[in-house]
Amino acid sequence: AQSVTQLGSHVSVSEGALVLLRCNYSSSVPPYLFWYVQYPNQGLQLLLKYTTGATLVKGINGFEAEFKKSETSFHLTKPSAHMSDAAEYFCAVTPLDNTDKLIFGTGTRLQVFP
Amino acid sequence: GAVVSQHPSRVICKSGTSVKIECRSLDFQATTMFWYRQFPKQSLMLMATSNEGSKATYEQGVEKDKFLINHASLTLSTLTVTSAHPEDSSFYICSARESRGLSNQPQHFGDGTRLSIL
Repeated sequence: AQSVTQLGSHVSVSEGALVLLRCNYSSSVPPYLFWYVQYPNQGLQLLLKYTTGATLVKGINGFEAEFKKSETSFHLTKPSAHMSDAAEYFCAVTPLDNTDKLIFGTGTRLQVFP
Repeated sequence: GAVVSQHPSRVICKSGTSVKIECRSLDFQATTMFWYRQFPKQSLMLMATSNEGSKATYEQGVEKDKFLINHASLTLSTLTVTSAHPEDSSFYICSARESRGLSNQPQHFGDGTRLSIL
């Protein structure tokens, strides 16, 4: 079964530092890939998605992610963290054989220190 | 664009009460809506897929008689937690996908409903 692994349930960075949130998926066929952000007591907001085409995807709030088929990864990065980036981040995939479903990773909580 | 409104945002009620949660796509049509449950500090668990005009598809282990889903229009799906008990307390989130038929359309999420059963 398709699965998504997010290494590191908590990541802490200083304001202005690089943000790197890791996501790996298990699939022999590259699925559609998404990153969502969740602020406390709110739903999820789409940051970016990869379906086809360019493997480096730019999203909102300065985030980007690169699809690497050879590594089955879709890591999320941001060059310079802001305090407002503190939130829970979820990587998700839509398997191509069941495009109705969205399978989520367990999430990574990002803390940003001044 | 692509706004999903979920109501109410918070419900506190007594054990045995039935609670209805609404999920509306405000500026797009959604043939398919999804209901998730999120436990504290955990990921989202898909409960069911709601299809307009037909019966919902429930995930394994989710009681369909407990969690009633109705998707009567292209912009509204409802989840009713029947005879709620304290173990049903959770954060419930809905999402909707635009009906343009493309499988790579992202899901747009509501802000969730925090249900607390006393």
